Amino acid sequence: TQLLEQSPQFLSIQEGENLTVYCNSSSVFSSLQWYRQEPGEGPVLLVTVVTGGEVKKLKRLTFQFGDARKDSSLHITAAQPGDTGLYLCAGEGGSYIPTFGRGTSLIVHP
Amino acid sequence: DVKVTQSSRYLVKRTGEKVFLECVQDMDHENMFWYRQDPGLGLRLIYFSYDVKMKEKGDIPEGYSVSREKKERFSLILESASTNQTSMYLCASSLGVGWEQFFGPGTRLTVL
Repeated sequence: TQLLEQSPQFLSIQEGENLTVYCNSSSVFSSLQWYRQEPGEGPVLLVTVVTGGEVKKLKRLTFQFGDARKDSSLHITAAQPGDTGLYLCAGEGGSYIPTFGRGTSLIVHP
Repeated sequence: DVKVTQSSRYLVKRTGEKVFLECVQDMDHENMFWYRQDPGLGLRLIYFSYDVKMKEKGDIPEGYSVSREKKERFSLILESASTNQTSMYLCASSLGVGWEQFFGPGTRLTVL
């Protein structure tokens, strides 16, 4: 089973701060996805990255896929309380089975 | 609007009971998945199915079984519920390998 390590596990910040969440593996993934999960709900896809070195932007969120396709990062600029949630990365290595990281729990205080 | 629905949001069962969790998707997806989610452990795959009547074990299949008689429906069965199966259960579906997974809202199961 391929493993994905996410860091940090918890983040508690003030509104307006910037933050970065990391997703690392020793395995190569053909694609990597980031999901956000709000309390009491299932995860919802934010983005999929497929090319090494790829950078995608979604408003205040910037996603990067490492050149070697083993790692990824999510950067949030000027965090808002609405960004609060559990952020999960998931890698796909060619099988039917996606691998999920354990998640980063983010709380943004107003 | 695409949707994955789960039969219950909250469920309380007693040790030894047989428990059925139902999941239905309306997107004609080939793949369906059952995960359990526990604090600090993330999402762990129990079983998945890539076609009707086909199933494959995930990382933690012990104590669970599944059924997929129709493309849109994937059921998770706890043959004899135990307290260590208290968890959040999430169903998901996807069009194919590497495609976005669509998740249901989850069933929070408590086994007393």
